[in-house]
Amino acid sequence: KAGVTQTPRYLIKTRGQQVTLSCSPISGHRSVSWYQQTPGQGLQFLFEYFSETQRNKGNFPGRFSGRQFSNSRSEMNVSTLELGDSALYLCASSLGQTVAHEQYFGPGTRLTVT
Amino acid sequence: KNEVEQSPQNLTAQEGEFITINCSYSVGISALHWLQQHPGGGIVSLFMLSSGKKKHGRLIATINIQEKHSSLHITASHPRDSAVYICAVPSLETSGSRLTFGEGTQLTVNP
Repeated sequence: KAGVTQTPRYLIKTRGQQVTLSCSPISGHRSVSWYQQTPGQGLQFLFEYFSETQRNKGNFPGRFSGRQFSNSRSEMNVSTLELGDSALYLCASSLGQTVAHEQYFGPGTRLTVT
Repeated sequence: KNEVEQSPQNLTAQEGEFITINCSYSVGISALHWLQQHPGGGIVSLFMLSSGKKKHGRLIATINIQEKHSSLHITASHPRDSAVYICAVPSLETSGSRLTFGEGTQLTVNP
């Protein structure tokens, strides 16, 4: 089975621009979670989607948004980029509805905002 | 919110040594995750456990639900074990797959 894939792997953007990141979960997985990792804040939860519905949202401004498609693929969007948005963005997929299911992480997208 | 503390933050060992990384959390949980992150960023799920002990190769994870504590052990450590090890627990405020992470333990194993 193919693992979780994320595209692009690396991205450089300028302040004020917007960016869209993509995550394809493992086949059969219906839950996709997004995380931001920075040196200062560590790993932080952004949001989670299950069957095309956002189920949980972390403490991030409204500039961060996401969606999930019927094939479970997910995208996250960051508008009006700020320097502090430079980070590694990771997505993880799991089978189902609770944390009793193991999460499988993608390789991440490293975003640099200049 | 479930607070997660890991110790030590940094650990340097010689090849072959037995390694222990600890994780404590503040609120009762249904499952705890141990993750490994290599330079370059990719995260691998090592264990998910809700009680007792699990073993995979040279890695052993234990959890004590009553004491809200988990340990990750590496036997016969090897330089390729050098990575950041992160424990994560679910947020009890919500359902679903939301995780709260420890700060991670940077492990360096020297040959």
